[in-house]
Parts: sequence; C-alpha cells; structure tokens
Amino acid sequence: GQNIDQPTEMTATEGAIVQINCTYQTSGFNGLFWYQQHAGEAPTFLSYNVLDGLEEKGRFSSFLSRSKGYSYLLLKELQMKDSASYLCAVKRPEVTFGTGTKLQVIP
Amino acid sequence: DTGVSQDPRHKITKRGQNVTFRCDPISEHNRLYWYRQTLGQGPEFLTYFQNEAQLEKSRLLSDRFSAERPKGSFSTLEIQRTEQGDSAMYLCASSHQTANYEQYFGPGTRLTVT
Repeated sequence: GQNIDQPTEMTATEGAIVQINCTYQTSGFNGLFWYQQHAGEAPTFLSYNVLDGLEEKGRFSSFLSRSKGYSYLLLKELQMKDSASYLCAVKRPEVTFGTGTKLQVIP
Repeated sequence: DTGVSQDPRHKITKRGQNVTFRCDPISEHNRLYWYRQTLGQGPEFLTYFQNEAQLEKSRLLSDRFSAERPKGSFSTLEIQRTEQGDSAMYLCASSHQTANYEQYFGPGTRLTVT
C-alpha cells in the first residue's frame, strides 16, 4: 500500500541480531510504526518514530530517516518467540501498512 | 480483561447476506479504528472515529460498508450484500488522543463468505 516496501521473509539464528528494513514514499509523512504479529493473532505495537534517529526499547530498536524515506527495526539477542511477522506502517492522516516481513528464528 | 474486544470472533455467511460486527475499545480510549486484513497482507485501513465522529474513511471502501459509533464507546461495522471478496479478518484498534500513535488491536473477527 502506497509503496511501503519490506522484505517478504527473513531467517536468523537464535541469539543473533537481525535488521528489518522498510522504505516508503515521503509525501504526507507524519510518523512510522512497527508492529509485531504472530500467526493468527492481532498486531501488537512495538514502536513509533516521528523524528530522525534511533529509539531503543529493550531488545528492540527502531531507526528513522525522514529525508530518505527509510526505517529499520533492529532485534537483538533473538529468541525463538520472536518468530513472527513485522509490519511497517506509515501515518499520513490514516495509517497504511506494508505487507510485513515474516521472520523465522532458527536454533 | 481491559483490552479491545470484538464480537463475534468468527462469522460464516452466505453471499448476499448482511453482517454486523462489534468492537468494544479500551474504556478511556476516544479513538477507534477499523482495518481489514487478508492472508499474507498487512492490515488495510477502513475508517476511524474520534469519539462519535467518523473522521476518516478509506477512499477504497465500498458503499456496502458502514460503521457507526453512536455514543463514542463501542462501534459496529456493517457489510451489506456480502461478496466472497469480503472474506478477511476485520480488526478493530483503539488509542487515546494524547497518545494516538499507540494503537491497541482487538483479536479480530474472521469473516468467511461462501
């Protein structure tokens, strides 16, 4: 939707670090969300970036560059329970979601 | 449980029938959102309310869809003359105006149109 691009799938090893990228069209941008969604469940809020830079929240960090239309979600010390889809969403007036990145964490 | 609740959790209906879903937001949240999600896709915005006022509605939303929030608390989403393409998970989310970025999602209503 509205050119929000994320990789479709990623695989990473337990204990490692993974970076999930998201690019978007910058017009009308007000902020960017990251959500986690386990299969068959509703999305849960991870972060919201309005200003450029890195915001850290425990094992998860989110970065935003408004001029480049670019964000990433960084997950550290991966755990098996982190296997889920990670959704990037852009707030203009309404919120538009990308199709999500399905992350598989392997032992 | 003080989270967002939705009812029913599952609905199977025949093409052409009308269906109505209900969403009860977190009690102190004045903003309420409806989304639709199909398999392998992210949620698609449908509409949003602030209190009882419907402030945004997706331009892609068919006229068969209507939503209400008459008292600024619970909301209903009605789909008239359902089509097979309406089969999806319908998600409701709520947020507080002072922290409108943090949307809390309900468990969803899964609609299957046969």
